[in-house]
Amino acid sequence: AQKVTQAQTEISVVEKEDVTLDCVYETRDTTYYLFWYKQPPSGELVFLIRRNSFDEQNEISGRYSWNFQKSTSSFNFTITASQVVDSAVYFCALYTGGGNKLTFGTGTQLKVEL
Amino acid sequence: DVKVTQSSRYLVKRTGEKVFLECVQDMDHENMFWYRQDPGLGLRLIYFSYDVKMKEKGDIPEGYSVSREKKERFSLILESASTNQTSMYLCASSAPGHNTEAFFGQGTRLTVV
Repeated sequence: AQKVTQAQTEISVVEKEDVTLDCVYETRDTTYYLFWYKQPPSGELVFLIRRNSFDEQNEISGRYSWNFQKSTSSFNFTITASQVVDSAVYFCALYTGGGNKLTFGTGTQLKVEL
Repeated sequence: DVKVTQSSRYLVKRTGEKVFLECVQDMDHENMFWYRQDPGLGLRLIYFSYDVKMKEKGDIPEGYSVSREKKERFSLILESASTNQTSMYLCASSAPGHNTEAFFGQGTRLTVV
Protein backbone atom coordinates (compact mmCIF):
# COMPACT_ATOMS: atom_id res chain seq x y z
CA ALA A 1 0.00 0.00 0.00
CA GLN A 2 1.17 3.53 -0.61
CA LYS A 3 0.96 6.37 1.83
CA VAL A 4 1.93 10.02 2.07
CA THR A 5 2.39 11.71 5.42
CA GLN A 6 2.45 15.45 5.93
CA ALA A 7 2.87 15.71 9.67
CA GLN A 8 2.63 19.49 9.79
CA THR A 9 -1.03 20.45 9.80
CA GLU A 10 -0.46 24.18 10.00
CA ILE A 11 2.58 26.44 9.92
CA SER A 12 2.63 30.17 10.60
CA VAL A 13 5.60 32.34 9.68
CA VAL A 14 6.37 35.99 9.34
CA GLU A 15 7.08 37.33 5.89
CA LYS A 16 10.67 36.85 4.68
CA GLU A 17 11.22 33.83 6.88
CA ASP A 18 12.27 30.57 5.25
CA VAL A 19 9.91 27.65 5.75
CA THR A 20 10.16 23.92 5.01
CA LEU A 21 7.16 21.69 4.44
CA ASP A 22 7.79 18.03 5.15
CA CYS A 23 6.59 15.08 3.12
CA VAL A 24 7.30 11.43 3.89
CA TYR A 25 6.09 8.67 1.62
CA GLU A 26 5.76 4.89 1.72
CA THR A 27 5.76 2.55 -1.23
CA ARG A 28 7.23 -0.80 -2.19
CA ASP A 29 7.47 0.14 -5.84
CA THR A 30 10.87 1.05 -7.21
CA THR A 31 9.41 3.34 -9.84
CA TYR A 32 7.24 6.14 -8.59
CA TYR A 33 6.57 9.85 -8.97
CA LEU A 34 6.25 12.53 -6.34
CA PHE A 35 4.32 15.76 -6.72
CA TRP A 36 3.70 19.00 -4.88
CA TYR A 37 0.53 21.02 -5.40
CA LYS A 38 -0.48 24.40 -4.02
CA GLN A 39 -4.10 25.21 -3.14
CA PRO A 40 -4.62 28.95 -2.64
CA PRO A 41 -7.81 30.27 -1.01
CA SER A 42 -9.49 30.28 -4.43
CA GLY A 43 -9.60 26.49 -4.19
CA GLU A 44 -7.95 25.35 -7.41
CA LEU A 45 -4.92 23.09 -6.94
CA VAL A 46 -1.89 24.27 -8.86
CA PHE A 47 0.89 21.90 -9.91
CA LEU A 48 4.34 22.88 -8.62
CA ILE A 49 6.69 20.00 -9.36
CA ARG A 50 6.99 16.32 -10.35
CA ARG A 51 9.96 14.14 -9.47
CA ASN A 52 10.57 10.53 -10.51
CA SER A 53 12.20 7.99 -8.22
CA PHE A 54 15.37 7.77 -10.30
CA ASP A 55 16.15 11.44 -10.12
CA GLU A 56 17.39 12.50 -6.69
CA GLN A 57 18.75 15.79 -7.86
CA ASN A 58 17.43 18.70 -5.86
CA GLU A 59 15.47 21.30 -7.72
CA ILE A 60 15.33 25.05 -7.34
CA SER A 61 12.81 27.32 -8.97
CA GLY A 62 13.06 30.91 -7.83
CA ARG A 63 12.23 30.98 -4.11
CA TYR A 64 11.09 27.35 -4.17
CA SER A 65 13.37 24.35 -3.69
CA TRP A 66 12.78 20.66 -3.24
CA ASN A 67 14.91 18.11 -1.47
CA PHE A 68 14.32 14.49 -2.48
CA GLN A 69 16.01 11.84 -0.32
CA LYS A 70 15.23 8.20 -1.06
CA SER A 71 17.19 7.07 1.99
CA THR A 72 14.64 8.72 4.26
CA SER A 73 11.67 8.50 1.84
CA SER A 74 11.21 12.22 2.02
CA PHE A 75 10.44 14.94 -0.50
CA ASN A 76 10.56 18.23 1.37
CA PHE A 77 9.66 21.63 0.03
CA THR A 78 11.35 24.86 1.11
CA ILE A 79 10.16 28.39 0.45
CA THR A 80 12.87 30.99 0.87
CA ALA A 81 11.96 34.51 1.94
CA SER A 82 8.28 33.69 2.23
CA GLN A 83 5.64 36.14 1.06
CA VAL A 84 1.99 36.64 1.96
CA VAL A 85 1.03 35.26 -1.46
CA ASP A 86 2.56 31.94 -0.44
CA SER A 87 -0.27 31.46 2.04
CA ALA A 88 -2.06 28.33 0.90
CA VAL A 89 -2.53 24.66 1.57
CA TYR A 90 0.27 22.57 0.12
CA PHE A 91 -0.21 18.94 -0.83
CA CYS A 92 2.38 16.28 -1.46
CA ALA A 93 1.29 13.34 -3.63
CA LEU A 94 2.65 9.98 -4.77
CA TYR A 95 1.97 7.98 -7.90
CA THR A 96 3.04 4.39 -8.40
CA GLY A 97 2.26 2.03 -11.24
CA GLY A 98 1.38 -0.66 -8.74
CA GLY A 99 -1.23 1.52 -7.09
CA ASN A 100 -2.21 3.08 -10.41
CA LYS A 101 -3.47 6.20 -8.74
CA LEU A 102 -2.31 9.43 -7.16
CA THR A 103 -2.27 9.33 -3.36
CA PHE A 104 -2.35 12.67 -1.59
CA GLY A 105 -1.14 13.64 1.85
CA THR A 106 -3.45 15.49 4.20
CA GLY A 107 -1.92 18.85 3.33
CA THR A 108 -0.10 21.59 5.25
CA GLN A 109 -1.76 24.96 5.74
CA LEU A 110 0.88 27.68 5.45
CA LYS A 111 0.08 31.14 6.77
CA VAL A 112 2.50 33.93 6.03
CA GLU A 113 1.86 37.10 7.99
CA LEU A 114 3.24 40.60 7.67
CA ASP B 1 -5.12 28.90 -20.92
CA VAL B 2 -5.89 25.31 -20.11
CA LYS B 3 -9.00 24.88 -18.09
CA VAL B 4 -11.04 22.53 -15.96
CA THR B 5 -14.41 24.02 -15.17
CA GLN B 6 -16.84 22.83 -12.54
CA SER B 7 -20.42 23.88 -13.02
CA SER B 8 -21.05 25.23 -9.52
CA ARG B 9 -18.86 26.80 -6.87
CA TYR B 10 -21.37 26.35 -4.06
CA LEU B 11 -24.34 24.03 -3.85
CA VAL B 12 -26.92 23.35 -1.15
CA LYS B 13 -29.08 20.25 -1.49
CA ARG B 14 -31.54 18.39 0.69
CA THR B 15 -31.06 14.91 2.06
CA GLY B 16 -32.32 12.32 -0.39
CA GLU B 17 -32.00 14.52 -3.47
CA LYS B 18 -30.19 13.30 -6.56
CA VAL B 19 -27.24 15.62 -7.17
CA PHE B 20 -25.21 16.13 -10.33
CA LEU B 21 -21.78 17.73 -10.28
CA GLU B 22 -20.50 18.59 -13.73
CA CYS B 23 -16.92 18.99 -14.91
CA VAL B 24 -15.65 20.05 -18.33
CA GLN B 25 -12.05 20.21 -19.57
CA ASP B 26 -10.75 21.82 -22.73
CA MET B 27 -7.39 20.08 -23.00
CA ASP B 28 -8.50 16.94 -24.84
CA HIS B 29 -7.29 14.87 -21.89
CA GLU B 30 -8.09 11.18 -21.72
CA ASN B 31 -8.02 10.99 -17.92
CA MET B 32 -10.53 12.63 -15.63
CA PHE B 33 -10.92 12.33 -11.86
CA TRP B 34 -13.27 13.20 -9.04
CA TYR B 35 -11.82 13.81 -5.59
CA ARG B 36 -13.36 14.69 -2.30
CA GLN B 37 -11.49 17.01 0.09
CA ASP B 38 -12.19 17.01 3.82
CA PRO B 39 -10.24 18.68 6.66
CA GLY B 40 -7.57 16.40 8.04
CA LEU B 41 -8.14 13.78 5.32
CA GLY B 42 -6.62 15.46 2.28
CA LEU B 43 -7.90 14.51 -1.16
CA ARG B 44 -9.50 11.13 -1.61
CA LEU B 45 -10.24 9.64 -5.02
CA ILE B 46 -13.90 8.80 -5.65
CA TYR B 47 -13.87 7.71 -9.31
CA PHE B 48 -11.73 8.15 -12.37
CA SER B 49 -12.05 7.58 -16.09
CA TYR B 50 -9.44 6.76 -18.71
CA ASP B 51 -11.71 7.12 -21.69
CA VAL B 52 -15.23 7.84 -22.83
CA LYS B 53 -17.82 5.53 -21.24
CA MET B 54 -15.10 4.02 -19.09
CA LYS B 55 -14.90 4.36 -15.29
CA GLU B 56 -12.93 2.95 -12.40
CA LYS B 57 -13.65 3.07 -8.69
CA GLY B 58 -11.30 5.01 -6.49
CA ASP B 59 -10.89 4.74 -2.75
CA ILE B 60 -14.34 5.91 -1.66
CA PRO B 61 -16.93 5.18 -4.39
CA GLU B 62 -19.81 4.25 -2.09
CA GLY B 63 -22.82 6.52 -2.55
CA TYR B 64 -21.48 7.94 -5.82
CA SER B 65 -21.64 7.13 -9.51
CA VAL B 66 -20.15 8.81 -12.57
CA SER B 67 -20.89 9.34 -16.21
CA ARG B 68 -18.59 10.08 -19.10
CA GLU B 69 -20.49 10.26 -22.37
CA LYS B 70 -18.10 12.73 -24.00
CA LYS B 71 -14.35 13.05 -23.67
CA GLU B 72 -14.47 16.57 -22.27
CA ARG B 73 -17.19 15.99 -19.66
CA PHE B 74 -17.15 13.94 -16.46
CA SER B 75 -20.15 13.99 -14.16
CA LEU B 76 -20.32 12.93 -10.53
CA ILE B 77 -23.72 11.76 -9.33
CA LEU B 78 -24.92 11.45 -5.76
CA GLU B 79 -27.87 9.09 -6.12
CA SER B 80 -29.42 10.05 -2.78
CA ALA B 81 -27.52 12.80 -1.02
CA SER B 82 -26.74 12.39 2.65
CA THR B 83 -25.31 14.81 5.20
CA ASN B 84 -22.02 12.89 5.33
CA GLN B 85 -21.49 13.81 1.70
CA THR B 86 -21.16 17.47 2.64
CA SER B 87 -17.68 18.26 1.36
CA MET B 88 -15.51 20.00 -1.22
CA TYR B 89 -15.48 18.14 -4.53
CA LEU B 90 -12.60 18.59 -6.94
CA CYS B 91 -12.46 17.52 -10.57
CA ALA B 92 -9.17 17.02 -12.40
CA SER B 93 -7.92 15.94 -15.79
CA SER B 94 -4.59 14.75 -17.14
CA ALA B 95 -2.92 13.29 -20.20
CA PRO B 96 -2.52 9.49 -20.32
CA GLY B 97 -0.64 7.97 -17.36
CA HIS B 98 -1.18 8.93 -13.74
CA ASN B 99 2.39 10.21 -13.54
CA THR B 100 1.52 13.24 -15.60
CA GLU B 101 0.52 16.59 -14.21
CA ALA B 102 -3.14 16.85 -13.25
CA PHE B 103 -5.10 20.07 -13.79
CA PHE B 104 -7.79 20.86 -11.26
CA GLY B 105 -11.04 22.75 -11.30
CA GLN B 106 -11.89 25.36 -8.69
CA GLY B 107 -13.94 22.95 -6.64
CA THR B 108 -17.61 22.65 -5.66
CA ARG B 109 -18.49 23.07 -2.03
CA LEU B 110 -21.56 20.91 -1.50
CA THR B 111 -23.69 21.20 1.61
CA VAL B 112 -26.37 18.59 2.22
CA VAL B 113 -29.01 19.66 4.75
